[in-house]
Amino acid sequence: AQSVSQHNHHVILSEAASLELGCNYSYGGTVNLFWYVQYPGQHLQLLLKYFSGDPLVKGIKGFEAEFIKSKFSFNLRKPSVQWSDTAEYFCAFNAGNNRKLIWGLGTSLAVNP
Amino acid sequence: NAGVTQTPKFQVLKTGQSMTLQCAQDMNHNSMYWYRQDPGMGLRLIYYSASEGTTDKGEVPNGYNVSRLNKREFSLRLESAAPSQTSVYFCASRASGPEQFFGPGTRLTVL
Repeated sequence: AQSVSQHNHHVILSEAASLELGCNYSYGGTVNLFWYVQYPGQHLQLLLKYFSGDPLVKGIKGFEAEFIKSKFSFNLRKPSVQWSDTAEYFCAFNAGNNRKLIWGLGTSLAVNP
Repeated sequence: NAGVTQTPKFQVLKTGQSMTLQCAQDMNHNSMYWYRQDPGMGLRLIYYSASEGTTDKGEVPNGYNVSRLNKREFSLRLESAAPSQTSVYFCASRASGPEQFFGPGTRLTVL
């Protein structure tokens, strides 16, 4: 079955620390990959996406993610987090032309000032 | 453009009551989705509509019905609410590409 695994459920960092959130998907074919962010009390917003091409994609607010096909991974990174990055982060993918997204359970990030 | 809008923002129901959650999008998107979000369980798909006039079940359809009223609107109905349906409900829409756009959510409490 298609699934997404987000390894870290809760992460606590201090401001200026580096961030890496793990995401692995299970599907052997072509995928489109996403990271969404949900700030406290708000709806989900797209942070970045990968469809094809350069496996290192850059998103909003200084986030980036790298698609490593051999590892079925799409880890999210940010060199220096800010208090305003406190949010829940969701990794998702869809396979080929499938209209449904497969979602991870999310990672809650708390950044202490 | 307002994007995806949802009403109401908050609702409290008693067990057994019915209600309809409304969702509308002004982006001319073909596909629309209803999710529920519960702590530690991520997003779970309730129903989706690939295009006007079609609806399909997602992971957790029991206890819900949907109507794709037209291209813009996709409503979710709880016929007889249960405490297990206490959740935050998100509507989303999608054009031809895979990216989904989300509404602000409805926080539902069933007592």
